[in-house]
Amino acid sequence: EPEVTQTPSHQVTQMGQEVILRCVPISNHLYFYWYRQILGQKVEFLVSFYNNEISEKSEIFDDQFSVERPDGSNFTLKIRSTKLEDSAMYFCASTAVRGDSPLHFGNGTRLTVT
Amino acid sequence: SQKIEQNSEALNIQEGKTATLTCNYTNYSPAYLQWYRQDPGRGPVFLLLIRENEKEKRKERLKVTFDTTLKQSLFHITASQPADSATYLCALDRPLTGTASKLTFGTGTRLQVTL
Repeated sequence: EPEVTQTPSHQVTQMGQEVILRCVPISNHLYFYWYRQILGQKVEFLVSFYNNEISEKSEIFDDQFSVERPDGSNFTLKIRSTKLEDSAMYFCASTAVRGDSPLHFGNGTRLTVT
Repeated sequence: SQKIEQNSEALNIQEGKTATLTCNYTNYSPAYLQWYRQDPGRGPVFLLLIRENEKEKRKERLKVTFDTTLKQSLFHITASQPADSATYLCALDRPLTGTASKLTFGTGTRLQVTL
């Protein structure tokens, strides 16, 4: 069964550094998402992306965050200047259609900001 | 905004018994409700989806009910096995507005099935 893949599985960075988290969604999917989960807390929506543009973003997704689908297969999340509170698991997800279609999640990137 | 409560942080049951997990929501009724399984250090894995006009959905040993009057969904695992031990997440999407989905997740219930 096709799956969403994310790299790296673990990223350690210093506060103020830029990080790029990478995702390869399922190939025929059209909607792409980033969610995050701070340790011990719930999974939270960050941003959705469709037709090469952001559909919606949460209050967490401030100017330090950006997303891109540079080449039709990869989907990236960039954090320009990381803060300690950005430490979390970041999950990429994709789905084929809008509506009652489940999200397919990757196994996440654990970001640790020191 | 939508708030979701899942009945307990942890649920311990004996192998072979039925586990019942509860998801309560406030505010608007979602177009549909989903249940996911999450293992430690892994992403959520989709299990079942139930629409607002459906009362019950089944898949193998799993059953979901949806009561829009009570604003509640129940998730049952029958004949539970130690391999069912995981955290189970309830997730709601808003009504079909907006271009893309926007799931709101509950905090999850950690199920432990013992021999």
